[in-house]
Amino acid sequence: DGGITQSPKYLFRKEGQNVTLSCEQNLNHDAMYWYRQDPGQGLRLIYYSQIVNDFQKGDIAEGYSVSREKKESFPLTVTSAQKNPTAFYLCASSIRGTGVLEQYFGPGTRLTVT
Amino acid sequence: QKEVEQDPGPLSVPEGAIVSLNCTYSNSAFQYFMWYRQYSRKGPELLMYTYSSGNKEDGRFTAQVDKSSKYISLFIRDSQPSDSATYLCAMSGETQGAQKLVFGQGTRLTINP
Repeated sequence: DGGITQSPKYLFRKEGQNVTLSCEQNLNHDAMYWYRQDPGQGLRLIYYSQIVNDFQKGDIAEGYSVSREKKESFPLTVTSAQKNPTAFYLCASSIRGTGVLEQYFGPGTRLTVT
Repeated sequence: QKEVEQDPGPLSVPEGAIVSLNCTYSNSAFQYFMWYRQYSRKGPELLMYTYSSGNKEDGRFTAQVDKSSKYISLFIRDSQPSDSATYLCAMSGETQGAQKLVFGQGTRLTINP
């Protein structure tokens, strides 16, 4: 089955610790995205990548970092510099091209930092 | 002011009712308009998309875009309990490469049997 996997589903960390969220896709998509979802705020773009070894900041990149060493993988690190890290994190991917590009979303990781 | 505004609800209607979900936006550059459905604790999935102004129908769902008013709608006819979910509008003006979507806040919809 083709799709996007995110692990773990739930993650708990202490304040001050960095944490890395996994995102893997087997859809052969070039573009990948990370969003954060908070209650009442919809989805906000953190980082996105159009091709391997290249990525761009989204609207709320501060306190986050990413890498794109393989086409299938786009891990997100939530650093201790992120002031409000508790949120639902969604990874997505799409083909690269023009026009409407359907983004396929993973099941998400709920991160709680205390 | 947010680029995309969507009434977060919650919206609760009886089974069989017609549901209207709406978004307004401020960026005139948006050309692509999408509706995503998100079930509880799941990732969103694309329901419908429309390019520029006009209507698009897919079964019980109709998407409308009025670019002159910067207003989009999703209508659900003969609503079913399985339609209970959060509906997110999304918009984009990008035409190349990765598509940067701007999402509304999402409207939580409950269809009561």
